[in-house]
Amino acid sequence: EPEVTQTPSHQVTQMGQEVILRCVPISNHLYFYWYRQILGQKVEFLVSFYNNEISEKSEIFDDQFSVERPDGSNFTLKIRSTKLEDSAMYFCATSSFHYEQYFGPGTRLTVT
Amino acid sequence: EDQVTQSPEALRLQEGESSSLNCSYTVSGLRGLFWYRQDPGKGPEFLFTLYSAGEEKEKERLKATLTKKESFLHITAPKPEDSATYLCAVQAGDDYKLSFGAGTTVTVRA
Repeated sequence: EPEVTQTPSHQVTQMGQEVILRCVPISNHLYFYWYRQILGQKVEFLVSFYNNEISEKSEIFDDQFSVERPDGSNFTLKIRSTKLEDSAMYFCATSSFHYEQYFGPGTRLTVT
Repeated sequence: EDQVTQSPEALRLQEGESSSLNCSYTVSGLRGLFWYRQDPGKGPEFLFTLYSAGEEKEKERLKATLTKKESFLHITAPKPEDSATYLCAVQAGDDYKLSFGAGTTVTVRA
């Protein structure tokens, strides 16, 4: 069964460093999303991406965040200058049309 | 802002003891209500989508129902492998993002 994959599974970085989280969507899916889940809290929407542009973003998704699809397969989330409060699980999700979203296993980001 | 509230926060069941989880929502223009299962340290796993009041979906021991204000996830004769956090999420208005509830953590003892 096709699935969303994410790399790395765990990333440890120092405050102020840049990180790139990667996602490989399900092959025929056209809509891509990033969510995050701080430990013990709800899953929160960050951004959605379709046709090579952002279609929605939350208040969390400020100028420190960016997304792109650099090579037509990977979908990336970049955090330019990480803060302690960016520590969370980051989930990529993909969907065909705007129906069920399928989530990847997540990247645990730890900012020290 | 979309509001999704799940209850109870935690549920401990004996194997075979059926129960229900509640998801109440306040949204403008519901597009769909989604149920996911999340195991510790893993991503949400899609279970069901419900689109309109009165709709029901079933999968093995799980059955989801929808009214105009809430959804229920019924677990019939649960087994220990049904232990997980069950998340409810809504999609509403012109947005396609999912707004999640805090989840109900279900523990099934053998």
